Amino acid sequence: DAKTTQPNSMESNEEEPVHLPCNHSTISGTDYIHWYRQLPSQGPEYVIHGLTSNVNNRMASLAIAEDRKSSTLILHRATLRDAAVYYCILVRGGSNYKLTFGKGTLLTVNP
Amino acid sequence: EADIYQTPRYLVIGTGKKITLECSQTMGHDKMYWYQQDPGMELHLIHYSYGVNSTEKGDLSSESTVSRIRTEHFPLTLESARPSHTSQYLCASTKTGPTGELFFGEGSRLTVL
Repeated sequence: DAKTTQPNSMESNEEEPVHLPCNHSTISGTDYIHWYRQLPSQGPEYVIHGLTSNVNNRMASLAIAEDRKSSTLILHRATLRDAAVYYCILVRGGSNYKLTFGKGTLLTVNP
Repeated sequence: EADIYQTPRYLVIGTGKKITLECSQTMGHDKMYWYQQDPGMELHLIHYSYGVNSTEKGDLSSESTVSRIRTEHFPLTLESARPSHTSQYLCASTKTGPTGELFFGEGSRLTVL
C-alpha cells in the first residue's frame, strides 16, 4: 500500500491560513487522496478528498500537485476549533481495500 | 450526521472477563472497520470487513475477533480481557468505492483492571 508522510506538528495563529502538507511519492493512478481530522476525545471526521484536480468544500481546500506526489490541505482561516490531528490517507480504487492511518499532523491554533 | 453507533461508550472490567463491543450502522455500508487507539497515539487498524461473512485482520495484531453476520452489525469480542487490552476502540464504515467518506462511531473506551 502506498504510504503518506506528514509533519508531526504545525502551529498557526487564529484567523490565519494554514497549509498542511502531505507527501505520497508512491501514489498509484487509482489512489484517491483523503483528509480526515480528529478533534480531541472524538473519532476522526472526513474533511475532503480528491484525485487529480484541486477541490474545495465548506471546510477546506485540497491542492494536489501536478505529479500527484504531494498534496496540501488548506484551511483558509484557522479557528481554535480547527485544533486537531489531521490525517492524509490514500484510498485505492478497486473492489477491496483497507484504510490505514499514519500518525498525522497535530495542528495547534494560537489565539 | 453519521448513523453509526457504538456501545458501550465506556467499560471498566476485570481481567479474564469476556467482552463484546457493539457497532451498528444504518447507512447500508458494505465496508466496516475496527481501529484501536491509545491516548495521543495513532489509529491502528485491527479488523475490517468487505461485507457479510467477510472479515480480515488489520495491520496491528489483536487478540480480539470480529463477525459480520448482518450488513449493519460488526461486533468485536475479547474472550478474556487483560490490562494490555485497555484502549479506545473505534468503529467505522464506508460505502463501496474509493470516493466514499469514512464515518466513525464515537468510540468505546475499555479499561481492564
